[in-house]
Amino acid sequence: GENVEQHPSTLSVQEGDSAVIKCTYSDSASNYFPWYKQELGKGPQLIIDIRSNVGEKKDQRIAVTLNKTAKHFSLHITETQPEDSAVYFCATHGAYKYIFGTGTRLKVLA
Amino acid sequence: KAGVTQTPRYLIKTRGQQVTLSCSPISGHRSVSWYQQTPGQGLQFLFEYFSETQRNKGNFPGRFSGRQFSNSRSEMNVSTLELGDSALYLCASSQGLAGTDTQYFGPGTRLTVL
Repeated sequence: GENVEQHPSTLSVQEGDSAVIKCTYSDSASNYFPWYKQELGKGPQLIIDIRSNVGEKKDQRIAVTLNKTAKHFSLHITETQPEDSAVYFCATHGAYKYIFGTGTRLKVLA
Repeated sequence: KAGVTQTPRYLIKTRGQQVTLSCSPISGHRSVSWYQQTPGQGLQFLFEYFSETQRNKGNFPGRFSGRQFSNSRSEMNVSTLELGDSALYLCASSQGLAGTDTQYFGPGTRLTVL
């Protein structure tokens, strides 16, 4: 069935370093790829998204890249800060629903 | 604009009972989707409502049902609760159908089934 694989499951980086999270999907109909950040006790919050007609999108320290041929997309966070510590989820939307990755717990060490 | 609100935030029930969760979308949003989040299964789609009609449904048993009112507020009902239904239930709203517009999540309702 349709699924989204997300790696790594945990990631620890030093403050100021970059963090990269990767997702691979199987549904060829996927055309929308959002990334969410979830902090403890809160719902997921959209941080960046990309549609299938775009290969890369950047918003300040956050960027997403998409390779539709290989069916994978990645989240890049530069100059990480302690407040970036959270669980990050990738997702795809294809025919009718969102499918989420399993999440990456990012820890930024001060 | 106020964000997506969910009530109650926490709920404790026993097996066999039923529960109703409520979600108020962002003003002007017509789509409400429901998700179940557990450590083992992650975030899973339950169903989506748009203009009071269920548009899509995930792979959950018929014990999970929902509805949407004319003001776009939505409720989700789970009957005959099982231990495995313990989870964080999230709702999300968007102006148009999910996937066409940005989806905003509420804080969730934490359901514990004893």
